[in-house]
Amino acid sequence: GAGVSQTPSNKVTEKGKYVELRCDPISGHTALYWYRQSLGQGPEFLIYFQGTGAADDSGLPNDRFFAVRPEGSVSTLKIQRTERGDSAVYLCASSLNLAGGPGNEQFFGPGTRLTVL
Amino acid sequence: AQSVSQHNHHVILSEAASLELGCNYSYGGTVNLFWYVQYPGQHLQLLLKYFSGDPLVKGIKGFEAEFIKSKFSFNLRKPSVQWSDTAEYFCAVTTYNNNDMRFGAGTRLTVKP
Repeated sequence: GAGVSQTPSNKVTEKGKYVELRCDPISGHTALYWYRQSLGQGPEFLIYFQGTGAADDSGLPNDRFFAVRPEGSVSTLKIQRTERGDSAVYLCASSLNLAGGPGNEQFFGPGTRLTVL
Repeated sequence: AQSVSQHNHHVILSEAASLELGCNYSYGGTVNLFWYVQYPGQHLQLLLKYFSGDPLVKGIKGFEAEFIKSKFSFNLRKPSVQWSDTAEYFCAVTTYNNNDMRFGAGTRLTVKP
């Protein structure tokens, strides 16, 4: 009975490398969200999916960031040519439906702590 | 785009003291409002939410929040805090036709036993 799970819990990489972060949403949740949380800040929206499609990717900081959800369940956030400024906790959340409507709570995973050396 | 301001960065209280954490948002349309809590070493959990109806919302663990539309505020309150309330508290907002959730910077609450 799981909540949202994210793997890995920690990722250390070197500047310039490629990383993939995975999110398993709660079963049956159609909406999936990615956020980034830097130290001392609140989560910052990156992208959300409704089903397989990215409904809004306006929060992705640049074209090094990309996310997919090919089967409408698991999602992968991909970061190319990592930079030290990408170091943060990457959070995933899911909800039954889009958060714009009433009664749709976003359930958060534990996050992946990414450190770029 | 909407933004969220949390006035207090770090609040320190003794047990049994009353708590009020400020939250203001900037958006003139219909909003959905949330308070999330993050206990040490744990992930974000929903405390309470407002979508419509009674502007005084009651959440878990004795927390409540009041939506004051004229002040664009959604302050979090608890009459008597406990040591176990030590955590980081985040206010968040979505708009009716926009699904990205905007968070405040968070308020760290420390309750002394």
